[in-house]
Amino acid sequence: DAMVIQNPRYQVTQFGKPVTLSCSQTLNHNVMYWYQQKSSQAPKLLFHYYDKDFNNEADTPDNFQSRRPNTSFCFLDIRSPGLGDAAMYLCATSTGPGVNGYTFGSGTRLTVV
Amino acid sequence: LAKTTQPISMDSYEGQEVNITCSHNNIATNDYITWYQQFPSQGPRFIIQGYKTKVTNEVASLFIPADRKSSTLSLPRVSLSDTAVYYCLVGVWGAGNMLTFGGGTRLMVKP
Repeated sequence: DAMVIQNPRYQVTQFGKPVTLSCSQTLNHNVMYWYQQKSSQAPKLLFHYYDKDFNNEADTPDNFQSRRPNTSFCFLDIRSPGLGDAAMYLCATSTGPGVNGYTFGSGTRLTVV
Repeated sequence: LAKTTQPISMDSYEGQEVNITCSHNNIATNDYITWYQQFPSQGPRFIIQGYKTKVTNEVASLFIPADRKSSTLSLPRVSLSDTAVYYCLVGVWGAGNMLTFGGGTRLMVKP
């Protein structure tokens, strides 16, 4: 089945140690998004790619970066994780302009120790 | 962007019909209304989408009045497995249209 896959499901990293989360999709969707979701809160958009065009949300910290080497893959890099970055990170895709919903991955739960 | 307002939480019992209402007073002409379901430790899952009147699929119905300033997600005969957070989103999908998740409604279904 076509889907959005996030690896790993659980990631533990040390305070200040760079970490990369990955997302892949078999849907061939143009747009890929990264959301941060903290406990008992709604998902918050960090940034998205429309094809190769990167779009950052104004309040996304510089500590968060993203790469999209091809249509299928997108990475979230956290350069120096702090305790406040512990959260579920969700990747989503959509087909672009038009009436379509998001398809989400299962998320990566990041713990910072 | 149209802001949405939902009840923070709702309780129900198995077999009952549950209606969750979302207010979106400043919805734009081109905006669609979409509902997502999220279980703990999983990504949100699309439930239903509509523009006006009523939409029904195999899991839910969506009622949208003529003024479109609110919408109601109806879950028939809920079971324990429907316990989840339900999010209402309003907007036009696609790059450049940043859709924002509101607070969501935490539905607890009891036996």
